[in-house]
Amino acid sequence: GQNIDQPTEMTATEGAIVQINCTYQTSGFNGLFWYQQHAGEAPTFLSYNVLDGLEEKGRFSSFLSRSKGYSYLLLKELQMKDSASYLCAVRVYSGGGADGLTFGKGTHLIIQP
Amino acid sequence: DSGVTQTPKHLITATGQRVTLRCSPRSGDLSVYWYQQSLDQGLQFLIQYYNGEERAKGNILERFSAQQFPDLHSELNLSSLELGDSALYFCASSRGGASGDYEQYFGPGTRLTVT
Repeated sequence: GQNIDQPTEMTATEGAIVQINCTYQTSGFNGLFWYQQHAGEAPTFLSYNVLDGLEEKGRFSSFLSRSKGYSYLLLKELQMKDSASYLCAVRVYSGGGADGLTFGKGTHLIIQP
Repeated sequence: DSGVTQTPKHLITATGQRVTLRCSPRSGDLSVYWYQQSLDQGLQFLIQYYNGEERAKGNILERFSAQQFPDLHSELNLSSLELGDSALYFCASSRGGASGDYEQYFGPGTRLTVT
């Protein structure tokens, strides 16, 4: 089976930097996604890592270490609109195009003025 | 707007009933995924279809079934509904296959309330 852990809730200040960690244990690992989800809305794609290292996209960066089963999402220059849940998801590929995502329970990020 | 559409947006029904949720993927996407999101369980993968065929099954109950039609839209059927089935149901789509494009785009969801 798969197990994904991330903190339940974090608080940060507008304009600051926050790092959200995710650890996973899975077989058939084939990439890790980060999604942002505002309450009652659909998850929206932030990043995808399949190789070790850092991927940067504007104010958001994501890091992956496959040997450690570890990833983090880094958010810079925080804005109030960044208050949302951040979901870590592992892509497990089992052949024949089968690749559902297994999600962590999400980290609720609260941005304070 | 992700390009994935879902209907209906809200659904209220009684225990024991059967409902059908509908999803149209983004233009060109061959894979469709269904997810259930409840407050205590988070986002759970139910089932995946690729170009009309079932590809992967997650935590889908036997009371639930799905299919993908030749025009690639998909339906999720939920029967003998229980109070615990109340949740947000999301459909997602991706290019799939050998495209190398694995990003899943989520629809706006259907909120199901079972009373």
